[in-house]
Amino acid sequence: EVQLVESGGGLVKPGGSLRLSCAASGFTFPNVWMSWVRQAPGKGLEWVGHIKSKTDGGPTDYAAPVKGRFTISRDESKNIVYLQMNSLKIEDTAVYYCTTGVLTDYFGGYWGQGTLVTVSS
Amino acid sequence: QSVLTQPPSASGTPGQRVTISCSGSSSNIGSNYVYWYQQLPGTAPKLLIYRNNQRPSGVPDRFSGSKSGTSASLAISGLRSEDEADYYCAAWDDSLRAYVFGTGTKVTVL
Repeated sequence: EVQLVESGGGLVKPGGSLRLSCAASGFTFPNVWMSWVRQAPGKGLEWVGHIKSKTDGGPTDYAAPVKGRFTISRDESKNIVYLQMNSLKIEDTAVYYCTTGVLTDYFGGYWGQGTLVTVSS
Repeated sequence: QSVLTQPPSASGTPGQRVTISCSGSSSNIGSNYVYWYQQLPGTAPKLLIYRNNQRPSGVPDRFSGSKSGTSASLAISGLRSEDEADYYCAAWDDSLRAYVFGTGTKVTVL
């Protein structure tokens, strides 16, 4: 059974940093692309970025609002994907979901429960 | 800001058919697969449709997806009270090099 468990959310001041983790199980982690999606309170879904599989070289893509501030990485030894968030802004306040398709062309097939990040002074 | 446009709301009575549209462009829907998600209040999204019209295992065949040109649609037939939720479309955008989501549609069962 595929499981994704996020952690690391919390309250942070504007300009601060936070690192989210997503522990994955139930599939062959190195072969799978992993994404982060966020949802601001009362708003819609917004893709944050993804990291390709180790077998595909592991490059990343990011949404324009977070490019240069957020970094996605993965630890194959622990089956964890990270979202390092720097220079946080109030508008980054959201529930952050880890998601993967496992299979090709199966974007968003599996989701974690989400972790809340609140950026406030 | 969302690149894919959906109607903000849709409604129907139990048993009716409801259709939700998703309008994009040649760089997203026009050239890539469309996905649809259902989000119940306070929960993570759930994949309903992938590769334009495929249903994951366990998704009832009351849900169906289609795509034509730069638009896509999700149909819910035999509407049930448990279908009351927010629905989102998504697609990869070649120009933005990003996944883009629709604005979301709230479905109400009257």
